[in-house]
Amino acid sequence: DAGVIQSPRHEVTEMGQEVTLRCKPISGHNSLFWYRQTMMRGLELLIYFNNNVPIDDSGMPEDRFSAKMPNASFSTLKIQPSEPRDSAVYFCASSLSGSPKGEQYFGPGTRLTVT
Amino acid sequence: DQQVKQNSPSLSVQEGRISILNCDYTNSMFDYFLWYKKYPAEGPTFLISISSIKDKNEDGRFTVFLNKSAKHLSLHIVPSQPGDSAVYFCAASQGAQKLVFGQGTRLTINP
Repeated sequence: DAGVIQSPRHEVTEMGQEVTLRCKPISGHNSLFWYRQTMMRGLELLIYFNNNVPIDDSGMPEDRFSAKMPNASFSTLKIQPSEPRDSAVYFCASSLSGSPKGEQYFGPGTRLTVT
Repeated sequence: DQQVKQNSPSLSVQEGRISILNCDYTNSMFDYFLWYKKYPAEGPTFLISISSIKDKNEDGRFTVFLNKSAKHLSLHIVPSQPGDSAVYFCAASQGAQKLVFGQGTRLTINP
């Protein structure tokens, strides 16, 4: 039973370049979350989707960040243009809304380095 | 403003003894509380959760206690094992959707 899949696992890019992070949620889950982890701010929610619809994007830092979920099995987080302060680990998580435990299942993360 | 706080960045415990990790929150609207465990280079893994209508939930060696009046929860691991060495995150949500995480506590179990 595959968990949440993220690609790439590592990304190194130069400032100004476009970066696209990808996520495949667990089959059957209908909620998808994008998080960012940094030393300064810890794990923070960027955006989440229910049934492919963005519900809350208040955590998206600025207009350079955008996220899409074109179908139930795929989501992207795009940064354009990237900046050194975007360097972080980006996690995708999925869940089944209404689950009694309220748990979300995380992918392994994408470590982004912007030079 | 940090709504979920883990005030101890690290904790060291002898193998076989009890590990107690603490978490405080400020938002009285939170109704789900969760603990996650994280190893290096992996995503957080769900451990155990508790809803606000309960004050205790147990799963094997892991027990979570919730004190709503103090806005405090704790995770007890007994007995502690070397494989429990990891970073533990406390998280809270309203309506079991948007999770707010604490900064994490690094637990080290010494043989």
